[in-house]
Amino acid sequence: GENVEQHPSTLSVQEGDSAVIKCTYSDSASNYFPWYKQELGKRPQLIIDIRSNVGEKKDQRIAVTLNKTAKHFSLHITETQPEDSAVYFCAVDFNKFYFGSGTKLNVKP
Amino acid sequence: NAGVTQTPKFQVLKTGQSMTLQCAQDMNHNSMYWYRQDPGMGLRLIYYSASEGTTDKGEVPNGYNVSRLNKREFSLRLESAAPSQTSVYFCASRSLSSSNQPQHFGDGTRLSIL
Repeated sequence: GENVEQHPSTLSVQEGDSAVIKCTYSDSASNYFPWYKQELGKRPQLIIDIRSNVGEKKDQRIAVTLNKTAKHFSLHITETQPEDSAVYFCAVDFNKFYFGSGTKLNVKP
Repeated sequence: NAGVTQTPKFQVLKTGQSMTLQCAQDMNHNSMYWYRQDPGMGLRLIYYSASEGTTDKGEVPNGYNVSRLNKREFSLRLESAAPSQTSVYFCASRSLSSSNQPQHFGDGTRLSIL
């Protein structure tokens, strides 16, 4: 199956700074890469996704970049706010979803 | 349009008891999934159903069984609960009718086994 590695496992930033989370995967046939945000005690919710025919996608303060050659993709959050504090999961679609182990983001006010 | 609905939200069981977790989606999705999430951990796939009438094992299927009752419903059964099965269980569904689509998650079932 697919091997997905996510780094870092924890990330602490000051409000207003940027945060970057990176995932690498092993199977080059994968072509869909979603990112989920999970607040404490809540369900994972999709925040952004990217398909392999594009290299970057933006949605307000959130962006995702994809490098298919190097088999990695990253989540970028700019101008972080305390409400961005949560656990973020990357996933790779290869018949079914393979999830990364998660990054706990703490945004300090 | 409720999305993915899981019942119950909370349950406490004694070791050896059996239980069925229910999941239903109203988005006409083909595929449905069961995950478990242990404290501070990621999502581990237990079983999935790519389409009505099919089920397949995921990463951690031991101790569980599933039934895809119809297109809407996908249940997870613990035949003889063990403390190691204490976890939060998430059901998810996904459309496969067009290009890659995300999974949509239910609110979870918090299960404690004493």
